[in-house]
Amino acid sequence: AQSVTQLDSQVPVFEEAPVELRCNYSSSVSVYLFWYVQYPNQGLQLLLKYLSGSTLVKGINGFEAEFNKSQTSFHLRKPSVHISDTAEYFCAVSDRNNFNKFYFGSGTKLNVKP
Amino acid sequence: GAGVSQSPSNKVTEKGKDVELRCDPISGHTALYWYRQSLGQGLEFLIYFQGNSAPDKSGLPSDRFSAERTGGSVSTLTIQRTQQEDSAVYLCASSKRTGNYGYTFGSGTRLTVV
Repeated sequence: AQSVTQLDSQVPVFEEAPVELRCNYSSSVSVYLFWYVQYPNQGLQLLLKYLSGSTLVKGINGFEAEFNKSQTSFHLRKPSVHISDTAEYFCAVSDRNNFNKFYFGSGTKLNVKP
Repeated sequence: GAGVSQSPSNKVTEKGKDVELRCDPISGHTALYWYRQSLGQGLEFLIYFQGNSAPDKSGLPSDRFSAERTGGSVSTLTIQRTQQEDSAVYLCASSKRTGNYGYTFGSGTRLTVV
């Protein structure tokens, strides 16, 4: 079974500053990788996904993530954050051999301050 | 419907009572998933359906938990003899096919067992 680690439970950042949310997973077997965002009192929304191909994936709202197989990481980045980016972000992984079960990290709360 | 609908949004129940949580997926989505989000934890896989069958029930925590899906649409998650440790947000998600395309999540049912 996979395990997903999001080392930072909370990340405070000022508006217009860059941000990186870290995600590491346990296995180097072939995986699919996802980032989800959960705004207050809302369901999770898919932000971006890596299935194959280019290791740099661009998602909605200016976010991007880079798959690093050797470091088993899939860190999420945004060059300039907005107040509206305040939310909780979840990294998720599924094995290519069993892609119906996702393993989620414990989440990172991004708090963008004015 | 336009999104994944879950009901009730909030449920408070007494320890030992049975509860039913409902999920109405996006029309045409054949795959349906149940996850549980406990306070401060990541999402925990419970069960998934492909059509009306459940190929993977491995995440159900105990035999007090069961789920069914009828007509390839609505799903019900039933928890019998609820315990305080069952308190969590129960999230439902659906996808057109199996999960490597990413899920669409509902807003969840917040279950509190008192």
